[in-house]
Amino acid sequence: TQLLEQSPQFLSIQEGENLTVYCNSSSVFSSLQWYRQEPGEGPVLLVTVVTGGEVKKLKRLTFQFGDARKDSSLHITAAQPGDTGLYLCAANFGNEKLTFGTGTRLTIIP
Amino acid sequence: DTAVSQTPKYLVTQMGNDKSIKCEQNLGHDTMYWYKQDSKKFLKIMFSYNNKELIINETVPNRFSPKSPDKAHLNLHINSLELGDSAVYFCASSQDSSGSGYGYTFGSGTRLTVV
Repeated sequence: TQLLEQSPQFLSIQEGENLTVYCNSSSVFSSLQWYRQEPGEGPVLLVTVVTGGEVKKLKRLTFQFGDARKDSSLHITAAQPGDTGLYLCAANFGNEKLTFGTGTRLTIIP
Repeated sequence: DTAVSQTPKYLVTQMGNDKSIKCEQNLGHDTMYWYKQDSKKFLKIMFSYNNKELIINETVPNRFSPKSPDKAHLNLHINSLELGDSAVYFCASSQDSSGSGYGYTFGSGTRLTVV
């Protein structure tokens, strides 16, 4: 069974601070996606990374795919209240489904 | 236009009842999924259909039966509901089932509460 562990599980920081959340697995994955989920809604895709070592930026969000293809990180610069939500990584381990991580609940305090 | 729509949004029912959740996507995607999100927000796949054909059936009780009348629709019927079935059920779709990196588009969820 492939597992995706995310850390931290909960994170609460002040507006304007920077933060990094992590997604780790003991197995290699072929691609990885990050989603954000807000209360009462389904997850929304933020980014897909497919190449080891790849870095993608989406405004204040920077996504990194580890060289060994077993980990990924999401860094947010100058966090804003609108960044509040549940962040989920999801990996494809070479089969026809996405396995979701355990999630990081992020709260940005104004 | 909502890309993936599922109904109802909320469902409260008694133990032992049978209920259905409907899902429709207007994205022209080939693959549709049902995921269950528990109280700890963990998302676990239940079923996947590609062009009306079942391709993933995780370890789910037989009381859960998906049906895909066409590739734009995937419904979920649950028999003899139990307390442990209470969760949020999400429908999703993707361009194909190859796992090549296409994202999933999720519906807004159905919160099922069994009392």
